[in-house]
Amino acid sequence: AQSVSQHNHHVILSEAASLELGCNYSYGGTVNLFWYVQYPGQHLQLLLKYFSGDPLVKGIKGFEAEFIKSKFSFNLRKPSVQWSDTAEYFCAVNFGNEKLTFGTGTRLTIIP
Amino acid sequence: NAGVTQTPKFRVLKTGQSMTLLCAQDMNHEYMYWYRQDPGMGLRLIHYSVGEGTTAKGEVPDGYNVSRLKKQNFLLGLESAAPSQTSVYFCASSYSRRTNTGELFFGEGSRLTVL
Repeated sequence: AQSVSQHNHHVILSEAASLELGCNYSYGGTVNLFWYVQYPGQHLQLLLKYFSGDPLVKGIKGFEAEFIKSKFSFNLRKPSVQWSDTAEYFCAVNFGNEKLTFGTGTRLTIIP
Repeated sequence: NAGVTQTPKFRVLKTGQSMTLLCAQDMNHEYMYWYRQDPGMGLRLIHYSVGEGTTAKGEVPDGYNVSRLKKQNFLLGLESAAPSQTSVYFCASSYSRRTNTGELFFGEGSRLTVL
């Protein structure tokens, strides 16, 4: 079955620390990959996306993600986090159909 | 440009009551979706629609019904609410199959509590 896994459920970091959130999916075909962010009390917003081309994609607010096809992964990174990055982060995958499948999310808490 | 609008934003129901959540989008999107968000479970797809007059079941459709009578609107109904349906509901829309990349545009959510 097609699925999306986010193994980090809750990550706590200090400001200026580097961030990497894991995302893996199970499917061998062509996929479109997304990271969404949900700030406290708000709706989901697109952080970045990958469709094809350069596997390293850059998004808003200094975030980037790398697609590694051989590992079925699309990890999210940021070199130096800020308190305002406190949010829940969702990896999502389109498996070539009309639906988007989400991971269970990673709650990120940044300590000032 | 309003994007995706959900009403109501908050609702409290008693077990057995019925209600309808309305989702409206002004982006001329073909596809529309209803998700529910629960702690530790991410977003789970309830029902979706690939065009006016069509609906399909998602991952967790039981206890819900939907209708897409107009392209811009997608209604989610609870005929007999249960406490297990306490959740935050998100509507989303996306482009047609011809230009579909899977990117979703979300509404602000509707928080439903069933007592």
